[in-house]
Amino acid sequence: EPEVTQTPSHQVTQMGQEVILRCVPISNHLYFYWYRQILGQKVEFLVSFYNNEISEKSEIFDDQFSVERPDGSNFTLKIRSTKLEDSAMYFCASSDEVLGLYPLHFGNGTRLTVT
Amino acid sequence: KNQVEQSPQSLIILEGKNCTLQCNYTVSPFSNLRWYKQDTGRGPVSLTIMTFSENTKSNGRYTATLDADTKQSSLHITASQLSDSASYICVVTRSNDYKLSFGAGTTVTVRA
Repeated sequence: EPEVTQTPSHQVTQMGQEVILRCVPISNHLYFYWYRQILGQKVEFLVSFYNNEISEKSEIFDDQFSVERPDGSNFTLKIRSTKLEDSAMYFCASSDEVLGLYPLHFGNGTRLTVT
Repeated sequence: KNQVEQSPQSLIILEGKNCTLQCNYTVSPFSNLRWYKQDTGRGPVSLTIMTFSENTKSNGRYTATLDADTKQSSLHITASQLSDSASYICVVTRSNDYKLSFGAGTTVTVRA
């Protein structure tokens, strides 16, 4: 069964550094998402992406965050200048339809640790 | 406010026993409700999706119910196995903007 793959599985970075989290969504999917989950807390929506542009973003997704789909297969999340509170699991997800009755397929996440 | 509340926060059951997890929501207007299983350190995996008109949906030993009038859902796990140990997350989709509201999850631990 096709799956969403994320790399790296764990990223450790120093405060103020830039990080890029990478995702390869399921190949025929059209809608792409980034979520984060701080340890012990709810999954939180960051951003959705469709037709090569952001379709929606949350208040968490401030100017420090950006997303790209540079080559038609990879989908990246960049954090320009990381803060301690950015430490979390970051999940990429994809769907082949706007979230009606189709499941959202999640990757296994990147654990970001900011020191 | 569009909220999803799950109970209990955690539970421990013996292998082979059944358990039921609860989800209450205030999300409106309602599109669908999903239950996800999240193993430790992994991404959530979809178990069921239910729309307004569906009362019950099963996926193997998992059975979800939905009462759209009272805005309540439950997930019943039958004959639990050690591999059922995970967090179970209730997610409700709003129909006007397809925004997902996540519950905090119920952590299930199955012991031999």
